[in-house]
Amino acid sequence: DAGVTQSPTHLIKTRGQQVTLRCSPKSGHDTVSWYQQALGQGPQFIFQYYEEEERQRGNFPDRFSGHQFPNYSSELNVNALLLGDSALYLCASSGQQGDYGYTFGSGTRLTVV
Amino acid sequence: RKEVEQDPGPFNVPEGATVAFNCTYSNSASQSFFWYRQDCRKEPKLLMSVYSSGNEDGRFTAQLNRASQYISLLIRDSKLSDSATYLCVVNLGGSYQLTFGKGTKLSVIP
Repeated sequence: DAGVTQSPTHLIKTRGQQVTLRCSPKSGHDTVSWYQQALGQGPQFIFQYYEEEERQRGNFPDRFSGHQFPNYSSELNVNALLLGDSALYLCASSGQQGDYGYTFGSGTRLTVV
Repeated sequence: RKEVEQDPGPFNVPEGATVAFNCTYSNSASQSFFWYRQDCRKEPKLLMSVYSSGNEDGRFTAQLNRASQYISLLIRDSKLSDSATYLCVVNLGGSYQLTFGKGTKLSVIP
């Protein structure tokens, strides 16, 4: 049973560019959340998608946007990259019935230079 | 005040030692509480949920004090494999967001 898969695993981008990160949830899960984890910090909630809609958003600017597809997979897009966007981006999936048994993917490590 | 605050660490303990981590949360409306474990450069993994009556899972014991807004994790008989960062995590009622502390790094030394 595949867990949460994320791609790519590592990425280097230049300031001002745009990036798309991808996530496939664990089998049986229909809800996807995205988190940003800067070095030495705990993960910070970006947003959650359910039924192809953004259900809740954290304190992140509009440069961060997302999408969920009918097969429950999800993308995170970041526009106009800043050096401070360098972080580990984690995708977590869960069932939507208030199930907090989140399963995290191994993340995408984004470096902005 | 940060929403979830943890002991700064790092904690360096010998094998077999007992170690305790503390965590406080600021929002009294918080309803669900967890400890996650994160190995170096890996994803967080759920260690255990924390219940009001306290709960135990093998060598791990978690306690919750709602009045003091305080959560603890006790690890008995530490193993080398317990070396990791331990993240205190809180969820507000009616929210889908998990709020993480910065984590406390534990190194168990032979």
